[in-house]
Amino acid sequence: EIVMTQSPATLSVSPGERATLSCRASQSVSSNLAWYQQKPGQAPRLLIYGASIRATGIPARFSGSGSGTEFTLTISILQSEDFAVYYCQQYNNWLITFGQGTRLEIK
Amino acid sequence: QLQLQESGSGLVKPSQTLSLTCAVSGGSISSGGYSWSWIRQPPGKGLEWIGYIYHSGSTYYNPSLKSRVTISVDRSKNQFSLKLSSVTAADTAVYYCARVVPVPAARGYYFDYWGQGTLVTVSS
Repeated sequence: EIVMTQSPATLSVSPGERATLSCRASQSVSSNLAWYQQKPGQAPRLLIYGASIRATGIPARFSGSGSGTEFTLTISILQSEDFAVYYCQQYNNWLITFGQGTRLEIK
Repeated sequence: QLQLQESGSGLVKPSQTLSLTCAVSGGSISSGGYSWSWIRQPPGKGLEWIGYIYHSGSTYYNPSLKSRVTISVDRSKNQFSLKLSSVTAADTAVYYCARVVPVPAARGYYFDYWGQGTLVTVSS
């Protein structure tokens, strides 16, 4: 099983600033990585797949990068609606796994 | 717009079987070559993949739950279902259904549409 580790567990950033979230895989997953956003009481929402491809309707301020074992989700100019929990998910084999999440909170 | 809606018992006694259904609307469960999955999230914790049913009817389960899980599809009702047997308090979670987007080159997949989730509590 591929273990996904996200850091930091909690990130405090002010609105209008940039947020950088990290995700590390225990072995290479190539570019087979997705990012999801989850707000309280809601289902996760797909943001990014293929490590860097924005899903339909996702604003351009969300960007993903990385390959192999190191990945980054960047939110360029934080809006109030962006404060949420973010999960990465690898899909390099049939046994997909999620990271434990990063909580992005208002500073 | 595709929509998924979970339904089922919100309270299950220990050792009994949890049963949930996911109704799909806005599209056919049989079209597009998609598969359908269940994912759960214990209160305050992260996401755990349970399993999925391929459009052909084949099923794939998380090894950690495989002995207790059954996922099936009812194409006539445009829905799929989850049964989890011998439940314990550790199975208390919000259960989500989701559409699977296959990535053949990776033999993996991700999830593009999700239901709103339903809380299942295991308690006597």
